[in-house]
Amino acid sequence: DTGVSQNPRHKITKRGQNVTFRCDPISEHNRLYWYRQTLGQGPEFLTYFQNEAQLEKSRLLSDRFSAERPKGSFSTLEIQRTEQGDSAMYLCASSSQGNDEQFFGPGTRLTVL
Amino acid sequence: AQTVTQSQPEMSVQEAETVTLSCTYDTSESDYYLFWYKQPPSRQMILVIRQEAYKQQNATENRFSVNFQKAAKSFSLKISDSQLGDAAMYFCAYPADTGRRALTFGSGTRLQVQP
Repeated sequence: DTGVSQNPRHKITKRGQNVTFRCDPISEHNRLYWYRQTLGQGPEFLTYFQNEAQLEKSRLLSDRFSAERPKGSFSTLEIQRTEQGDSAMYLCASSSQGNDEQFFGPGTRLTVL
Repeated sequence: AQTVTQSQPEMSVQEAETVTLSCTYDTSESDYYLFWYKQPPSRQMILVIRQEAYKQQNATENRFSVNFQKAAKSFSLKISDSQLGDAAMYFCAYPADTGRRALTFGSGTRLQVQP
């Protein structure tokens, strides 16, 4: 296992388009997190899954954002009707039950034109 | 809202010298974890060191150590014998809300290492 992977690494889209990102966590990790990071800032929490259940959602996660983890393995984050303010790095992290250490993926950098 | 404050946007250190990055946080919990993460330019975030709040002994990982002052809610990171590869953004983080797993991060400190 090479760690948390995210695809694509970069995405450029036009305002109003939908985009979907994928995260593959470390295989034995049952917890998965999505964060958003803008330039010069620390990551901000978006949502958290334990297995396939979405247990936490931030107020940052507007109704244009939806996340799934259908089989408790990989996760997808979809943004509908993208806006320029959605431009950011979207980070995925995973952890195992009983261990608070979160392992981060390389992120997907989204640019909305 | 519970917050994490890193008051040093940028720090610079000479190679082989020691530098301390500061972090303060706000929580009403008595048992929690604190983390320092490193994010090199264009590379992914990695954990540097973690501290369990119920442990009085400061955590140490090779050249990295923390000064944890629970009463003052302070959690500083000391890097000894600084190396060029230590240049990165450093973020302090902890699970800010009761029962939540999500981390709240500070705004980061950019560390430059001068040869």
